Amino acid sequence: GDSVTQMEGPVTLSEEAFLTINCTYTATGYPSLFWYVQYPGEGLQLLLKATKADDKGSNKGFEATYRKETTSFHLEKGSVQVSDSAVYFCALSDRGTSYDKVIFGPGTSLSVIP
Amino acid sequence: GAGVSQSPSNKVTEKGKDVELRCDPISGHTALYWYRQRLGQGLEFLIYFQGNSAPDKSGLPSDRFSAERTGESVSTLTIQRTQQEDSAVYLCASSLAGSGRAMNTGELFFGEGSRLTVL
Repeated sequence: GDSVTQMEGPVTLSEEAFLTINCTYTATGYPSLFWYVQYPGEGLQLLLKATKADDKGSNKGFEATYRKETTSFHLEKGSVQVSDSAVYFCALSDRGTSYDKVIFGPGTSLSVIP
Repeated sequence: GAGVSQSPSNKVTEKGKDVELRCDPISGHTALYWYRQRLGQGLEFLIYFQGNSAPDKSGLPSDRFSAERTGESVSTLTIQRTQQEDSAVYLCASSLAGSGRAMNTGELFFGEGSRLTVL
């Protein structure tokens, strides 16, 4: 079945460092790909998404490109801030289903220190 | 309401007791989902509702778990005879998927979760 794998955390970075969180997926079709973020004390929220190969999703300085050839959707940010400290979840949605059945990776915890 | 609301936010119970967790989705969202998140693990799909029917309940781990939904509104997840391995955060999400008003976007709107601890 479909699945999502992402790098294990926790990840600790200094402010203004470059961030990469790796994500790879397994899917039988052509899924849509997502990054969700969970800030401390809050619910998960959509950060960015890409619906087809070579699409780049971006939001709040974060970017991820849908790479079909490597089945990857790595999250990047050029300069992290303390406020980016959160848990990041890579996810996919099988567009062949009639509803948004979203499959999540295990999450990667990010701590940014001043 | 403005967002997805879940209650209780924290529940501590003794092994063998029954618990009910409640989710109030965003008004107008026809799709509702329950997920379970064990400590240090990803989100585990439990059940999906479209309106008050549940076309996918493949993720419910055992017959001790059940869920119902009233129309396009509140849902309750019931765990009977709780076990220690049921300890987790139970997350509810809603979306417009299947309503005819939006393409499937994969955008789920989550509540803050109900943390269940079974002693």
